[in-house]
Amino acid sequence: EDKVVQSPLSLVVHEGDTVTLNCSYEVTNFRSLLWYKQEKKAPTFLFMLTSSGIEKKSGRLSSILDKKELSSILNITATQTGDSAIYLCAVRDQGAQKLVFGQGTRLTINP
Amino acid sequence: DSGVTQTPKHLITATGQRVTLRCSPRSGDLSVYWYQQSLDQGLQFLIQYYNGEERAKGNILERFSAQQFPDLHSELNLSSLELGDSALYFCASSGASGPSYEQYFGPGTRLTVT
Repeated sequence: EDKVVQSPLSLVVHEGDTVTLNCSYEVTNFRSLLWYKQEKKAPTFLFMLTSSGIEKKSGRLSSILDKKELSSILNITATQTGDSAIYLCAVRDQGAQKLVFGQGTRLTINP
Repeated sequence: DSGVTQTPKHLITATGQRVTLRCSPRSGDLSVYWYQQSLDQGLQFLIQYYNGEERAKGNILERFSAQQFPDLHSELNLSSLELGDSALYFCASSGASGPSYEQYFGPGTRLTVT
């Protein structure tokens, strides 16, 4: 059964700090890994990483896929209070249509 | 705003009742996915439809069913409701059935069963 584990489950930092969130996965035939940010309600899409696109960057956020270690990290630099949210990692295998989600990392940025 | 709409936003009902949740995908998206999010289980995939046909099934209870209509909107029907069915129900859509496409989530329907 496909499995996604995120760490840490909770993280509290001060504004301006840099954070690294971790995601490790076990899938039968890996196809893609996705990161989402969930604030009050709906998860919003951040990045999708595949075998052909193992590094993505958008502003202060960046993500890397390590296919050898079956893991991914999400980096946020110069954090702001608006970055406070739950960050979800999900994977999809070659055959399945569904996303399998990790339990999420709750990130709190204190001013 | 992801472009995916869901109604209603909130639903409060009693055990044993039946409810219908509605989802309209982003314009042009053919695939619709339903997920359940509860505090102890996280986000769990329920079912996927592609262009009106069921494409994949997850941990969906037999008391739950779904369908996608010709205009591509989808409905999730939950019957014989139990207290444990209280959760956030999300709909997501993507541009195609294949695994390369990211899914965009709607705002969710919060179901409370009393």
